[in-house]
This record gives sequence, C-alpha cells and structure tokens, in this order.
Amino acid sequence: DVKVTQSSRYLVKRTGEKVFLECVQDMDHENMFWYRQDPGLGLRLIYFSYDVKMKEKGDIPEGYSVSREKKERFSLILESASTNQTSMYLCATHRGSGANVLTFGAGSRLTVL
Amino acid sequence: AQSVTQLDSQVPVFEEAPVELRCNYSSSVSVYLFWYVQYPNQGLQLLLKYLSGSTLVESINGFEAEFNKSQTSFHLRKPSVHISDTAEYFCAVTWTTGFQKLVFGTGTRLLVSP
Repeated sequence: DVKVTQSSRYLVKRTGEKVFLECVQDMDHENMFWYRQDPGLGLRLIYFSYDVKMKEKGDIPEGYSVSREKKERFSLILESASTNQTSMYLCATHRGSGANVLTFGAGSRLTVL
Repeated sequence: AQSVTQLDSQVPVFEEAPVELRCNYSSSVSVYLFWYVQYPNQGLQLLLKYLSGSTLVESINGFEAEFNKSQTSFHLRKPSVHISDTAEYFCAVTWTTGFQKLVFGTGTRLLVSP
C-alpha cells in the first residue's frame, strides 16, 4: 500500500510566521496534491504537482506556495501565516494514469494565533 | 466545470437502521465518482468508486452506491449501520479524460447512536 506521511500532525504558529508543511510518499506516484479541509466547506484544492518541479494552482492558492524538488516530497509553504489559514491540511497522491484513487495522509492541523 | 452537492451536513441515525447519504453532481462530460470516508482524527480513505459498467457498486463493509446518470446522483446507502460507521463521508467527482483532479462535496457527518 502507498503510504503518505505528513510529518507534523499538529502545529501552532503565530501570525506572520513562515510555515512549512511536509508530505512524503513511499511509492512512485507522479501526482501530489494539497487540500485544506474546513467544516461546512469540504476539501478545497490549494496546489497540485504532476512532476518534479512542476506545480499548478488549485482553487484557492492565495497565500500559499509549494515546492517539489524530489518526486516523493511535496511541501506546502505559508510565507506569512494568517489566522484565516487555521485549518486541517491534507496531502494526497495518485499514480497519474487511468482512473485514479487518491491516497491521503493523516492530515496536519494548523492553528495560527 | 464540475461540482458536487451533498445536501445533508449531518445525518443522525440509530444503530441497525438503514441510511442514505445523498450526492448530486454536475458535469458536462463523463465522470468517475467516488465516496471517501474520514474517521475521527484520520485522513480520508476510499470507500467505493464508480468508473464504468454496473451502476451499482459495493464496499467491503456493506455500503453501496448507485450511479444514476439521468438524475446525476450517486447516493450512498447501507441497510443496517453500526456504531463504528460514525464518520464523515465525502462524495467526489473527476472527469474521465485529461488530468484528473477530484472535486469534493462538503461532506456529510453520519452519527450512529445506540
């Protein structure tokens, strides 16, 4: 089974801090995604990547950036955290061909004070 | 563009009762449909999927969903729920061609009580 590991389960940061959320997968999946999950809003796509160094904006990219220097690692960066970025962040991957099933990490719950 | 509507944000039900969680989608092209489940403090995991063929799909833990193209629906059902089914359920859709990017509904929280 593909494993998707999000290194930080819970983080508390202050407004204005730079925040890194890391996601690592242990299979050879091309595609990686960052979603945020908020009550009543479901999952919304922030950014995705279909190859190393390639990235595409999702539906809500404002205030975020990403980095994919290696195939197995996809980082979400909050350059200057704000309180409205308090949320659950979910990383997911899929293989990149055929009818794909997303495999999710356990999530990173970020609180910005 | 695609969209997914889950009208019920929360569904309370007693143990061993039947349940239906509703999902409607809109898309101008053919789609794949999914149900994901999220247990407390966990990420999402796939429950079942419709890709093609039989419109009725089943999961290993007794859930089923039926793809209804004319009504653009993919409702999830279980004839008899358990306490352990308490979780949040997300319906999702993606198109069948090109780069596949899932669009999720807002989720339905199933609360099973004894």
